[in-house]
Amino acid sequence: DIQMTQSPSSVSASVGDRLTITCRASQGVSRALSWYQQKPGKAPKLLIAVASGLHAGVPSRFTGSGSGTEFTLTISSLQPEDAATYYCQQAYRFPLTFGGGTKVEIK
Amino acid sequence: EMQLVESGGGLVQPGGSLRLSCVASGVGFSSNWMSWVRQAPGEGLESVANIKGDGNEINYVDSVRGRFTISRDNAEQSLYLQMNSLRTEDTAVYYCARYSSVYGGFDPWGQGTRVTVSS
Repeated sequence: DIQMTQSPSSVSASVGDRLTITCRASQGVSRALSWYQQKPGKAPKLLIAVASGLHAGVPSRFTGSGSGTEFTLTISSLQPEDAATYYCQQAYRFPLTFGGGTKVEIK
Repeated sequence: EMQLVESGGGLVQPGGSLRLSCVASGVGFSSNWMSWVRQAPGEGLESVANIKGDGNEINYVDSVRGRFTISRDNAEQSLYLQMNSLRTEDTAVYYCARYSSVYGGFDPWGQGTRVTVSS
């Protein structure tokens, strides 16, 4: 199975900060990488697919980049509503696997 | 736009069985992969089973293979997960989600149904 590793596991930042989350795959996944946002008690929501494709309705402050084994999710200007846990997921090979998550808190 | 509603969760003893259901509304159910993704309390996400639109391709994560069976009824726009020989480690919220093989993401998701395996 392809292992996905996210860092950091948690981060605290201020409104307006630029924030970057990293996701590393144990083997190359090309650009088959998605990012999700999950708030407590809610289902995850798709933010980005194919490494950098912004999903419909997602604010443009979210950007994704990378290919192969290393990917990043960047929030250009952190907003209060961005407090959540973020997950990456590879779609290169079954079983589809997720990273362990990055919890983002607002200072 | 597709919407998904799960049901069937509950409390079951170890070794027991449970059947989860997911009903879809909107278009596109029969032409899409569908999946069950679970989340144990305080933990991350795990895709446990996936089924192609025509039902002819199915895969499972190793931890549930041989115990869980995913199926679908396209006429009823329904997805199922039959869970047998349940273990305490199967305790989780189970989400139904559409998986796009075009862009490789899960969207949309249902609200989830909670399964608790405990004596």
